[in-house]
Amino acid sequence: GNSVTQMEGPVTLSEEAFLTINCTYTATGYPSLFWYVQYPGEGLQLLLKATKADDKGSNKGFEATYRKETTSFHLEKGSVQVSDSAVYFCALSFPNSWGKLQFGAGTQVVVTP
Amino acid sequence: NAGVTQTPKFRILKIGQSMTLQCTQDMNHNYMYWYRQDPGMGLKLIYYSVGAGITDKGEVPNGYNVSRSTTEDFPLRLELAAPSQTSVYFCFAGSVGTNQPQHFGDGTRLSIL
Repeated sequence: GNSVTQMEGPVTLSEEAFLTINCTYTATGYPSLFWYVQYPGEGLQLLLKATKADDKGSNKGFEATYRKETTSFHLEKGSVQVSDSAVYFCALSFPNSWGKLQFGAGTQVVVTP
Repeated sequence: NAGVTQTPKFRILKIGQSMTLQCTQDMNHNYMYWYRQDPGMGLKLIYYSVGAGITDKGEVPNGYNVSRSTTEDFPLRLELAAPSQTSVYFCFAGSVGTNQPQHFGDGTRLSIL
């Protein structure tokens, strides 16, 4: 079946540090890939997405590139802020199953001043 | 526009009780979903609907029922609450299309004792 694996958290960083969260997937076919962010007490928000190999999704300084050869979609940000403290989820879905998302377990990120 | 509104935000139930989690969206989205989030795990799909009058099971439907009589509302019902249903429940709504917005509700935290 399809699955998404993320690095375990929490990841603790100082402000302005570089952030990487690893995400790999197993899927039959060619899924679309997503990163969602969940701030405390809130629902998930779509952060960025990529729909085909070599696509790069970007938003709010975050980037992730769809790597078909390594089945990965790692999230990166060059300089994190305290406001980036949240839980980040990697997910996949297929074009004919919009909204039916397979999520990773989530990675908590804590950014300290 | 409120997006997706879930009520209640918190609820404690006794084993065997029933309740309905409400989800309402004001964005005229056709697609609506119910997910549950257990600690340390990603979200899992319970039920979904692609339009009024149409519902289908997701990955973990046992113990739940849904209905979709209007575009706006997608209630989730627990008939006989069990401790295994202690979780945070998220409603998700959106429209097909790569640039269409999508919205998660803020969640309902349910404890069954």
